[in-house]
Amino acid sequence: QKEVEQNSGPLSVPEGAIASLNCTYSDRGSQSFFWYRQYSGKSPELIMSIYSNGDKEDGRFTAQLNKASQYVSLLIRDSQPSDSATYLCAPAPNSGYALNFGKGTSLLVTP
Amino acid sequence: SAVISQKPSRDICQRGTSLTIQCQVDSQVTMMFWYRQQPGQSLTLIATANQGSEATYESGFVIDKFPISRPNLTFSTLTVSNMSPEDSSIYLCSVDQGDTEAFFGQGTRLTVV
Repeated sequence: QKEVEQNSGPLSVPEGAIASLNCTYSDRGSQSFFWYRQYSGKSPELIMSIYSNGDKEDGRFTAQLNKASQYVSLLIRDSQPSDSATYLCAPAPNSGYALNFGKGTSLLVTP
Repeated sequence: SAVISQKPSRDICQRGTSLTIQCQVDSQVTMMFWYRQQPGQSLTLIATANQGSEATYESGFVIDKFPISRPNLTFSTLTVSNMSPEDSSIYLCSVDQGDTEAFFGQGTRLTVV
């Protein structure tokens, strides 16, 4: 199984600030990663995927993958209270295999 | 994308009874996955269901407790058997699209009393 580690938080940031969420992984063979967001009482939804080393930006979200250091991060710029959720990191599985999620980081954006 | 209809959305059950959760997908998929999410925890994979063969269970989960059916490429059920309060969790089914996005059912919130 591809193991990932996340700080469970909660991570509290003020509205408008940058939220930085981190995930480390143990399998050097992991090539790409997903970030899922899960609101309380809801199912996870994909917000970012990153398939190569470096940064990938999508609106207020930036995913960063550093294979040498084996970490992947998610930056949320101009954080909004609606970003308050749990963020789950998972390496992309081999075809036919399930996602193996980290424990998730709880983010609270305070007005 | 895939749309998954999962039911029931929630249930309160007596200990010692069983509950069957259903997931219907709007397209044919090879693999379906069943997860458990205990309160305040992340998702833990219970088993992988492949049509036409027995489900593959993860460590700590057994078929007698969590029997799974996969009669066709669009449907699967998970039964939580002989329930105890420790089984109170959210149960989710999921399908993937190869190495791209995974899609989840709405979840079943189970409370065992």
